[in-house]
Amino acid sequence: AQKVTQAQTEISVVEKEDVTLDCVYETRDTTYYLFWYKQPPSGELVFLIRRNSFDEQNEISGRYSWNFQKSTSSFNFTITASQVVDSAVYFCALSEAVIKAAGNKLTFGGGTRVLVKP
Amino acid sequence: EADIYQTPRYLVIGTGKKITLECSQTMGHDKMYWYQQDPGMELHLIHYSYGVNSTEKGDLSSESTVSRIRTEHFPLTLESARPSHTSQYLCASSSLWGAGEQFFGPGTRLTVL
Repeated sequence: AQKVTQAQTEISVVEKEDVTLDCVYETRDTTYYLFWYKQPPSGELVFLIRRNSFDEQNEISGRYSWNFQKSTSSFNFTITASQVVDSAVYFCALSEAVIKAAGNKLTFGGGTRVLVKP
Repeated sequence: EADIYQTPRYLVIGTGKKITLECSQTMGHDKMYWYQQDPGMELHLIHYSYGVNSTEKGDLSSESTVSRIRTEHFPLTLESARPSHTSQYLCASSSLWGAGEQFFGPGTRLTVL
């Protein structure tokens, strides 16, 4: 069975500080996909990034960066120079890579609430 | 940008009422999903569909039912709402052959008095 753990339930920082969100996953699959979603106070989940299990290259997109380490089953997310607008709940998720006609379900972590204070 | 819509955004109703939460997407996605989200944030998959006339129960048992008569439409119905149904309901869709990323609607926040 797949499992995603986000050990941090809430992180509070002051604006301009960096914040790193931890994500650890468990799966028996050899190939899989990992995702990060953002849920602002308005409620919708916004897709941020997808990584393939066979691509461990870290990625930077603006103030966001992701550190994928297959050896430790971790897919951490860092926000650099945080802003008040970054305040949201962030979810890490996992799905198997084999495409199934019945659908590939996402397994979500419990979420980490980030509060950025001005 | 994802085009997935949910109505109503907020709903307050009395116990025993029948309600239908609407979800529509214009992306032509075959797969659609319903999640229930606790106040404590965790997302629970309650229903999913991988095409017209297919529906499956998710990981969390739910008294709600769903239907998929049209590709773009995936409504969720509660025959008799109870206070325990108070929650946020999120609808999502994804491509049949994609890598699995799901695109979410804005959610319906349901309160049953």
